Amino acid sequence: GQNIDQPTEMTATEGAIVQINCTYQTSGFNGLFWYQQHAGEAPTFLSYNVLDGLEEKGRFSSFLSRSKGYSYLLLKELQMKDSASYLCAVQLTDSWGKFQFGAGTQVVVTP
Amino acid sequence: AAGVIQSPRHLIKEKRETATLKCYPIPRHDTVYWYQQGPGQDPQFLISFYEKMQSDKGSIPDRFSAQQFSDYHSELNMSSLELGDSALYFCASSYRQGGLPGYTFGSGTRLTVV
Repeated sequence: GQNIDQPTEMTATEGAIVQINCTYQTSGFNGLFWYQQHAGEAPTFLSYNVLDGLEEKGRFSSFLSRSKGYSYLLLKELQMKDSASYLCAVQLTDSWGKFQFGAGTQVVVTP
Repeated sequence: AAGVIQSPRHLIKEKRETATLKCYPIPRHDTVYWYQQGPGQDPQFLISFYEKMQSDKGSIPDRFSAQQFSDYHSELNMSSLELGDSALYFCASSYRQGGLPGYTFGSGTRLTVV
């Protein structure tokens, strides 16, 4: 089966940095994606990695190690609006394939 | 920019009733996906269509069916509704021939079965 693990919840203060780890064991791999989801809203695309290494995109960076089945999302200069659930997702087959999502990490940003 | 449009946004049905959810993908997108997200859970893949043909199937109950029409919009038909079908239903679309990675989700339809 597919297995994607990430912490349930993390709390950090405004302006700080938070790192959300994700480990995966899946039958296929065509990329690891990070989505942000506010309660009751659609997931919105943040970042993705296909090859090993770090991808930086403004305040958000994502890292991938395929040999370790490991990724992290780094959120810098946290803002209150960053309070949301962050979903780690593996695209299982080709670039139009279905995603297997993790359960999400609820990030709470405090003043 | 145009996004993925879903209708209705909210739907309340009674047990054993039927429901139809509609999805209008981003123009030129040729692939549509349906996901179900229960309360506090991650999105679960239901089914996808490419060029109006079913391309993949996930954990979609036999009571549900879906199709993609000639204008590329898709409908998810749900019959004999059960309380456990209460969830957010997301549609997403992508363009196979070289669009951005991943895909774009619609705002979802919140189905409540009472």
